[in-house]
Formats: sequence, C-alpha cells, structure tokens
Amino acid sequence: GAVVSQHPSWVICKSGTSVKIECRSLDFQATTMFWYRQFPKQSLMLMATSNEGSKATYEQGVEKDKFLINHASLTLSTLTVTSAHPEDSSFYICSGVGGLGGKETQYFGPGTRLLVL
Amino acid sequence: SQQGEEDPQALSIQEGENATMNCSYKTSINNLQWYRQNSGRGLVHLILIRSNEREKHSGRLRVTLDTSKKSSSLLITASRAADTASYFCATGRGSTLGRLYFGRGTQLTVWP
Repeated sequence: GAVVSQHPSWVICKSGTSVKIECRSLDFQATTMFWYRQFPKQSLMLMATSNEGSKATYEQGVEKDKFLINHASLTLSTLTVTSAHPEDSSFYICSGVGGLGGKETQYFGPGTRLLVL
Repeated sequence: SQQGEEDPQALSIQEGENATMNCSYKTSINNLQWYRQNSGRGLVHLILIRSNEREKHSGRLRVTLDTSKKSSSLLITASRAADTASYFCATGRGSTLGRLYFGRGTQLTVWP
C-alpha cells in the first residue's frame, strides 16, 4: 500500500517556541492532506484540510494562526505549531488522499508526538 | 458533537473469543470506516463500508451498518492477543474523501 511518513516522530520543545511537523506522501501524489490531533486516551480530532497550492480549511475551534499549514507540493504538507504551550502537547497525525490504480484512498502517517515543557 | 460514539469503551476477553464493538453516529454519512491503533502508534485502516451496504467481511472481521439506526458494529472472530489495540469508527461526509470524524474508540484487550 501507499506510504505516508511524518517527521519528526517525536519532539520535545520549550514553551514559546515553534515546531514544524512534516507529512510526506512517499509513493503517491496527495492532492489533499488532513491533519488530526489526538490527546491521550482520546479520539482523533480533525484539525484542518490542506489542499496543494491553496489555503487550508480549518475545523471549527482550531486557530489558524496557531497551527500554520502549508501544502506546497503534491507530496508535502507541513504543520507549524507556533508559540507552543504545554496544552499543545499531543499526538499529531496526518493523512493523504491519493489514487493508486485509479482509486482514491486515504493513507495515514505514523504520527508525531509533541511534548511542550 | 459530530463524532461517533463507540461502546463499550473497554472490552477484555480471552483468546479465541469473539469481540463485538458498536458505533453510533448522528448525521447522514457516505461511508463508515473502522481503524485500529496500537498504543501510541498510527492508524491502520481495517475496513470501509458504504452507506448503501449492510454488511462486509474481511478475514476475521465482519462489519455491519444500519443507516436507519445510525449504527455500525465490528466483530472480530477468534480473537488473538495480537488483536489488542484501540478500535475506532470514523464517518465520512460530504464530497471530500478523507474528512473523517472519529468516535471515541474501544480499547480491546485480548488475554492469552
């Protein structure tokens, strides 16, 4: 199956710093990518939809100035957590939608664990 | 809430037994998917059932969908210790594939 990678897999940072998380589709072109957040023992919450070459669409309650999303190419989307605070500590998962064999399917990355001290 | 709800929240069984998890949702859907997540890891897609389907099988997995009751169930037959994980249902709506709303999940523990 298709592969989506995330980098870094985990990151620890100080409060007030910005952290960039990369999401790459390795063997397919992802016209659309999604960013989810998961707090411990909770479900995944959709944060935003990212389309290549256009502005991301954020879900209600997600601060677009706090979580900057850039989808500069068909294989890369980045999520930047600006001025991170301890409450931003979470597991961030991206997914990409692409077509292999003529069928569009969604593929999830392995996730990035962020800890803000 | 736009999320689905799974029950039970936690399920503990012995190897060889069947495990049934249920999911309910609130709005109309195009499809419903089940995912598995091992502790602290990414998601593994298990099965997708479309709104016009009632039942689907994949190996030891059987999924049902009742759109009139807005509910779905995931049955894992002959469970194994390796099936221990969290299981989530997710509903897809609208024309954008991949815009999913996840339920709270069921933590399944299978004892050897």
